[in-house]
Amino acid sequence: DADVTQTPRNRITKTGKRIMLECSQTKGHDRMYWYRQDPGLGLRLIYYSFDVKDINKGEISDGYSVSRQAQAKFSLSLESAIPNQTALYFCATSDVIAGNMNEQFFGPGTRLTVL
Amino acid sequence: KQEVTQIPAALSVPEGENLVLNCSFTDSAIYNLQWFRQDPGKGLTSLLLIQSSQREQTSGRLNASLDKSSGRSTLYIAASQPGDSATYLCAVYNAGNMLTFGGGTRLMVKP
Repeated sequence: DADVTQTPRNRITKTGKRIMLECSQTKGHDRMYWYRQDPGLGLRLIYYSFDVKDINKGEISDGYSVSRQAQAKFSLSLESAIPNQTALYFCATSDVIAGNMNEQFFGPGTRLTVL
Repeated sequence: KQEVTQIPAALSVPEGENLVLNCSFTDSAIYNLQWFRQDPGKGLTSLLLIQSSQREQTSGRLNASLDKSSGRSTLYIAASQPGDSATYLCAVYNAGNMLTFGGGTRLMVKP
């Protein structure tokens, strides 16, 4: 089984709808991240969480919110979806070992289309 | 703010060629650097992770080098194959374990 899973894998919705993307991990990592990728571009950070009580905005948080329900679960919500939020969304996790930079492990992605 | 640039944005080569993909970053105070492969519309596959104390990593036909002082990394692919066709992403780890991605190089290897 995959260590980092995302649901749904594909979603088509309409402008103005509320959408939730979910991420679960079995790696036991404390840190979780949400990124979006637009066609032909690299990934950009939306939100990140270093533990259940620590949530931080990333580079492009406007229009998004997150919830860290448990160490293993991190959800991304679009309260009122708009077409320019059409993108590929990735969740990632990483461990924390004092003083070290720790590799981020990525989920398979969720393709979201907002009509 | 860290910026990561990948050149070229797209590359088309005949099968069998050796090729080099370039990645540059503006802030040399990075920790690790990672190269990923991404097939169209798919997820990320980690290829190589170079820790800040290392200068290069090798895996099969892939070799990645890191020169922090000049803000550069290269990914060398030997004897390219059509199956290597994909987008290659470079990402640097900054303070706080934050990743900054480049825009990618889209590689096409023609039979």
